[in-house]
Amino acid sequence: EVQLLESGGGLVQPGGSLRLSCAASGFTFSSYAMGWVRQAPGRGLQWVSTITGSGGLTYYADSVKGRFTISRDNSRNTLYLQMSSLGADDTAVYYCAKGRSGSYGSFDSWGQGTLVTVSS
Amino acid sequence: QPVLSQPPSASASLGASVTLTCTLSSGYSNYKVDWYQQRPGKGPRFVMRVGTGGIVESKGEGIPDRFSVLGSGLNRYLTIKNIQEEDESDYHCGADHGSGSNFQKVFGGGTKLTVL
Repeated sequence: EVQLLESGGGLVQPGGSLRLSCAASGFTFSSYAMGWVRQAPGRGLQWVSTITGSGGLTYYADSVKGRFTISRDNSRNTLYLQMSSLGADDTAVYYCAKGRSGSYGSFDSWGQGTLVTVSS
Repeated sequence: QPVLSQPPSASASLGASVTLTCTLSSGYSNYKVDWYQQRPGKGPRFVMRVGTGGIVESKGEGIPDRFSVLGSGLNRYLTIKNIQEEDESDYHCGADHGSGSNFQKVFGGGTKLTVL
């Protein structure tokens, strides 16, 4: 059974930084692209970033490009999202998601999410 | 990049059928769309992908046969037959756009389905 467990969310001041982690199990982690998708309170889903299975290629939404960095450690089956220069618009639940075979933006398993609140 | 439009809400009675619509903006009629179900307080769940030819590949794990899709023109439809209480969820559609360094994933605003 695929399991994705996010951690690292919390309250951060505007302009601050935070690193999210996602521990994966139940599948061959290095064989799949992984992504982060966020959901602001009461809003729809917003794709944030995707990384290929090897970690060699990364993709970002325009709204986070230059501020967020996605990475992965295939030896630890863990996905990361380093977030910096955070603003109120980044307040959201952040979901870790497993890519469907051959896809960068289609996700077949999702975690429960971790809440990031940007506020002074 | 495409804009995906979804009605904010829909409702259906227990045991009835409902069709949810995701509309792509003009010029993107060849795009495939993913449907996701999100139950209250939970993470999303992949339902299936749909293009103008219908379902693309297979349904998500555990998705009942009551769920089906169709695609026509700019519209991508998700139909749920014999609606159950557990189907009360938000339903999101999403589409891949671009390739290489220009890749983006776009989502609609979601439709909240209420089971009466």
